[in-house]
Parts: sequence; C-alpha cells; structure tokens
Amino acid sequence: EAGVTQSPTHLIKTRGQQATLRCSPISGHTSVYWYQQALGLGLQFLLWYDEGEERNRGNFPPRFSGRQFPNYSSELNVNALELEDSALYLCASSLAGQGAGMVKAFFGQGTRLTVV
Amino acid sequence: AQTVTQSQPEMSVQEAETVTLSCTYDTSESDYYLFWYKQPPSRQMILVIRQEAYKQQNATENRFSVNFQKAAKSFSLKISDSQLGDAAMYFCAYRSARGAQKLVFGQGTRLTINP
Repeated sequence: EAGVTQSPTHLIKTRGQQATLRCSPISGHTSVYWYQQALGLGLQFLLWYDEGEERNRGNFPPRFSGRQFPNYSSELNVNALELEDSALYLCASSLAGQGAGMVKAFFGQGTRLTVV
Repeated sequence: AQTVTQSQPEMSVQEAETVTLSCTYDTSESDYYLFWYKQPPSRQMILVIRQEAYKQQNATENRFSVNFQKAAKSFSLKISDSQLGDAAMYFCAYRSARGAQKLVFGQGTRLTINP
C-alpha cells in the first residue's frame, strides 16, 4: 500500500513568488492535514481538509491557502512568499469522522521550501 | 487553546540503556489523545505510541512505554534497551477527541544514542 506522497521534495522560490505543494493521501483516507516545520521549531498546524472542504485552519495569514480535490489529494498554495516561509511542509492523512481522534495519522516525507 | 511543552531540547543515552523523554500539556478538555512521534533524518514522522486520555493504563509498544499522569498533565516516553536506530527527533502531540482533529505538537527532543 502506498503511503502519503508529497511533491516536490525540494522547492526553491524567490521572495514574492507563489509556491504550490502537493499531497496524495493513503487510499481510503479522506482527511488531509498540512503542517509547517520551520528550522528548530515544532510542527505548526496549517490546514485540515476533509471531504473536499476546509475544516480548520491554523494561525497563518490568508496567503496560505489550499484545496482538496475529489480524489482527496490536496494542494497547499503559498502566495507572496516571504523569507520566513522557508520550512519543511508536511502533509498527513487519516480517516476522519467520529472516533477518528485516536486513529493514526500517516505523514509524508515533506516538501522542503526555500525562499531566497 | 491547547499547548504541548517538551522541556528537553536534547537528550543522549548509551546504547542498551533506558531514557525518558518528558512532555507536559495544557488543556481544559477531559477527552483527548496523546501521541509520541519520531522523526528520523529521513524527515518522515513515524507514530511511536498513543494513549487515550480516558484509559488509566499506560500504553506500551515493545521497548516503548509511557507514563501518563492525567491530573499532572504529563505524558513521558520511556525507551528501554536503546538502539542506534532510535536516534531521532521525538515529538509529543495532543489531539482533541472532538472538534478540530489537528495534532498540536511540542517543540521536540533530539535523542542521541551513544554506542
């Protein structure tokens, strides 16, 4: 069974540009979560999508946005990139719904975004 | 809002010995879940162990066990018979049982295994 896959592995962008990161969840998982892991910091929750809708959002500016497609894959878009957006962006997927809190969330290997 | 605190940025242990990583959290909820994740250099987060808050019995997974103290809001991870492959960043995480199902992570503890 394929795990959570993220692309690209590395991405280098110039300040002010836009970045698009992609995530394919494990088959059968309807929930996708995005986290930002800046250097030396823990993971900060960005966005949660389930069944194609944004369910929850972390404390990030509106230039961080995304969407979930009918096949449950997801995109994270970061507009007007700033130097401090440089980080590892991790995607996770899980089952959702009642009682899903205990369910294991599977993580991808991340996209390393560097803004220069 | 819930917060998770890991007060040990770095820990080291001799191979085959036991090490305990600390984690405390703050929440007003009574029903939640706690997790320990491992992040090796490959960057992929791997679930090590999980605990349901309503269960008093501490979770164990082979060499990994937790000491869950609900009243103290403490959730430490004990690794027995440490192996070189245990070297990684370890993150403690909290997840509400209702509402937003996001994971709230601590800052992490870098564990080094000395041969």
